[in-house]
Amino acid sequence: GENVEQHPSTLSVQEGDSAVIKCTYSDSASNYFPWYKQELGKGPQLIIDIRSNVGEKKDQRIAVTLNKTAKHFSLHITETQPEDSAVYFCAASMLQGAQKLVFGQGTRLTINP
Amino acid sequence: NAGVTQTPKFQVLKTGQSMTLQCAQDMNHEYMSWYRQDPGMGLRLIHYSVGAGITDQGEVPNGYNVSRSTTEDFPLRLLSAAPSQTSVYFCAIGAYEQYFGPGTRLTVT
Repeated sequence: GENVEQHPSTLSVQEGDSAVIKCTYSDSASNYFPWYKQELGKGPQLIIDIRSNVGEKKDQRIAVTLNKTAKHFSLHITETQPEDSAVYFCAASMLQGAQKLVFGQGTRLTINP
Repeated sequence: NAGVTQTPKFQVLKTGQSMTLQCAQDMNHEYMSWYRQDPGMGLRLIHYSVGAGITDQGEVPNGYNVSRSTTEDFPLRLLSAAPSQTSVYFCAIGAYEQYFGPGTRLTVT
């Protein structure tokens, strides 16, 4: 089955700097890669996703890149703000059966003022 | 949390007790899922449903039962709780863009 590895487990950056979180996956059949943000005491919230027919997707300060050959994808947050502090999870699945998400271990991102 | 409600928010059980975690949605989604979240392990899929009357196992189904008699509700049953089931449980709706409920924190002593 699919296995998703996420790095780093913790990340601390200065406000205004960029943050990058990386994930690798094992199943070449996976073609849907969402990212979730989880604030303390809440459920995860989808922030961006990418499908395998696209190499990069951007939404304001957030971007995701995908390298299908190397089987890795990354989340980029630019101009970080204190409200970006949270735990971020990557996930992978096949579009057919996309609800069977396999999650990475999570990255705790702290933005220092 | 996008019309997904979970009850209770917190629960403490003794080993061997049974209980049902409730999940309800008001968005008429066909797809519903249950995950557990443990430190350092992300979220792992327990069971999922693609519609009323249809359920299937996820990655970690042992010790849990589900049923789906209506589109709105997808309860998760622990028949005989074990300390290894201490976790935070999340219900989600949707197939691709999944929307998660607020979670139930379960402690089994």
